[in-house]
Amino acid sequence: AIRMTQSPSSLSASTGDRVTITCRASQGISSYLAWYQQKPGKAPKLLIYAASTLQSGVPSRFSGSGSGTDFTLTISCLQSEDFATYYCQQYYSYPRITFGQGTRLEIK
Amino acid sequence: EVQLVESGGGLVQPGGSLRLSCAASGFTVSSNYMSWVRQAPGKGLEWVSVIYSGGSTYYADSVKGRFTISRDNSKNTLYLQMNSLRAEDTAVYYCARDTPEGYYYYYMDVWGKGTTVTVSS
Repeated sequence: AIRMTQSPSSLSASTGDRVTITCRASQGISSYLAWYQQKPGKAPKLLIYAASTLQSGVPSRFSGSGSGTDFTLTISCLQSEDFATYYCQQYYSYPRITFGQGTRLEIK
Repeated sequence: EVQLVESGGGLVQPGGSLRLSCAASGFTVSSNYMSWVRQAPGKGLEWVSVIYSGGSTYYADSVKGRFTISRDNSKNTLYLQMNSLRAEDTAVYYCARDTPEGYYYYYMDVWGKGTTVTVSS
């Protein structure tokens, strides 16, 4: 199985900050990577697919980059509603997709 | 509006069975690839099963032989039959629609709110 490793596991930041979360795949996955946001008690929400394509309706302060094994999710100017847990997910080995362990973004 | 609503979760004893339902609106379940994903308390996301539009099914090794995914086209509903339940199956179960990127690759663009399954004596 393809293992996805996110870093950091948790992150403290302030409103207005720029933050970056990284995701590394245990083998090359081309650009078959998605990012999801999950708030407590809620379902995951798709933010980005194909490593860098913004899902419709997602604010442009979110961006993704990378290919192969290394990927990043960047939030350019944190808003209060962005504090949540973020997951990367590879679908290169679909249907046997795998998720990263998550990165919890907290208010400093 | 495109929407998924899960139901059927609850408390069940180890070795018991439960059937989860996922009612779709705004799109046709049978025309899409549909997945179940679960999240154990305080843990990350784990893919469980998928059913293709053509009817092929796939399972995570952790549930293979115990869980069965199916759908009822007339009700536009996805199901997950869970048998021989174990404590480690305790989780929130989400259904999701898989959307294609290219021919072989699918990501999850619509998720339900989830239903909670607790396996305990």
